Amino acid sequence: KNEVEQSPQNLTAQEGEFITINCSYSVGISALHWLQQHPGGGIVSLFMLSSGKKKHGRLIATINIQEKHSSLHITASHPRDSAVYICAVRPTQGGSEKLVFGKGTKLTVNP
Amino acid sequence: KAGVTQTPRYLIKTRGQQVTLSCSPISGHRSVSWYQQTPGQGLQFLFEYFSETQRNKGNFPGRFSGRQFSNSRSEMNVSTLELGDSALYLCASSLVTSGNSYNEQFFGPGTRLTVL
Repeated sequence: KNEVEQSPQNLTAQEGEFITINCSYSVGISALHWLQQHPGGGIVSLFMLSSGKKKHGRLIATINIQEKHSSLHITASHPRDSAVYICAVRPTQGGSEKLVFGKGTKLTVNP
Repeated sequence: KAGVTQTPRYLIKTRGQQVTLSCSPISGHRSVSWYQQTPGQGLQFLFEYFSETQRNKGNFPGRFSGRQFSNSRSEMNVSTLELGDSALYLCASSLVTSGNSYNEQFFGPGTRLTVL
């Protein structure tokens, strides 16, 4: 079993829909990251969370440390949101930047 | 401020050869991590360097090695290349300020290695 599980693996939405991507993890963590990867490979960090909720524009990320679960929400989705969204956790270790990744969720937003 | 840069961006090698990839972190960032991304395994941690020292290593064979220079630039080397080493190799830098602090990682564009 992977330490980080994401669902769904693939998601197709119509423009304007509200989208939720889920991430569950099984290890103790010091932080959780949500990353976005567009075709071509470039990865952009969207959020880094250790508790609670963060919002940036149409993106909202939440984390429940007790339940070892995080969600990424996209409101009013747009075709430019089409990308792979990756959840990554930093296991609790002294002073290490190591990340453990989920397999990613491929999001396609149709106009 | 310039982002993380990686060179080369694309590389084609044959089995048995060795390869060196380079990563220049964001100015002031002292931690550099390397990751391998393949369609089958996804993203996997290779190793992390901080102040010229390897702080953590992933579950990869000894053919994969790296180092970090005093200016925080990092290189990774893969010797005796195998077909399965074909992948996108990404590095990421972060501003580590003290022992257990955690920081956002900034990723480079990656080097796409093809082994024939």
